[in-house]
Amino acid sequence: LAKTTQPISMDSYEGQEVNITCSHNNIATNDYITWYQQFPSQGPRFIIQGYKTKVTNEVASLFIPADRKSSTLSLPRVSLSDTAVYYCLVERYGGSQGNLIFGKGTKLSVKP
Amino acid sequence: GAGVSQTPSNKVTEKGKYVELRCDPISGHTALYWYRQSLGQGPEFLIYFQGTGAADDSGLPNDRFFAVRPEGSVSTLKIQRTERGDSAVYLCASSLTSPGNTNNSPLHFGNGTRLTVT
Repeated sequence: LAKTTQPISMDSYEGQEVNITCSHNNIATNDYITWYQQFPSQGPRFIIQGYKTKVTNEVASLFIPADRKSSTLSLPRVSLSDTAVYYCLVERYGGSQGNLIFGKGTKLSVKP
Repeated sequence: GAGVSQTPSNKVTEKGKYVELRCDPISGHTALYWYRQSLGQGPEFLIYFQGTGAADDSGLPNDRFFAVRPEGSVSTLKIQRTERGDSAVYLCASSLTSPGNTNNSPLHFGNGTRLTVT
């Protein structure tokens, strides 16, 4: 599976929009992108998943350009409770999804 | 509904001892996963069950680690002769994915068992 690269940390303030970009240069045709969020002392929690263009749910938006070599997780109007680590993963359609590679993630700190 | 439950939430053991960590997945989820997370790192894959069988155990670090899921529901991760380097948070997750599905379902994680080997 394609390796992902994302910033180690980001800082933001309450009410701002936060965009976290993930690189996955070697993504394959049958791969898709998934983002997880992890709060301290909790397991990761699924946020959003997409293959191309734009996906939006009640939590976030995911933007994937045509070449799919990167993706951007967008969190609108963050609050203090959005402080967490965000992981970008590449998964394969129909593959054994057990061996997901999380990496170190991006530690987002939201300040008042 | 109830999420993935892991017990105990914390476990302190002495070097050389044997430990068992339990995972109760979400009812009806056929797939179950164990991951290990060290401080400041992302979760690392250990083993994946589809039903009762281990579909992929390539992440188990050595033969001191073993996991079972005898009835396709609850799973136990067993660690023999624990070492200080085994100290970490052990995460369990489950999902609805069945073999042959083209769209993988998200993983639902428990809050983990924090294992400390002294």
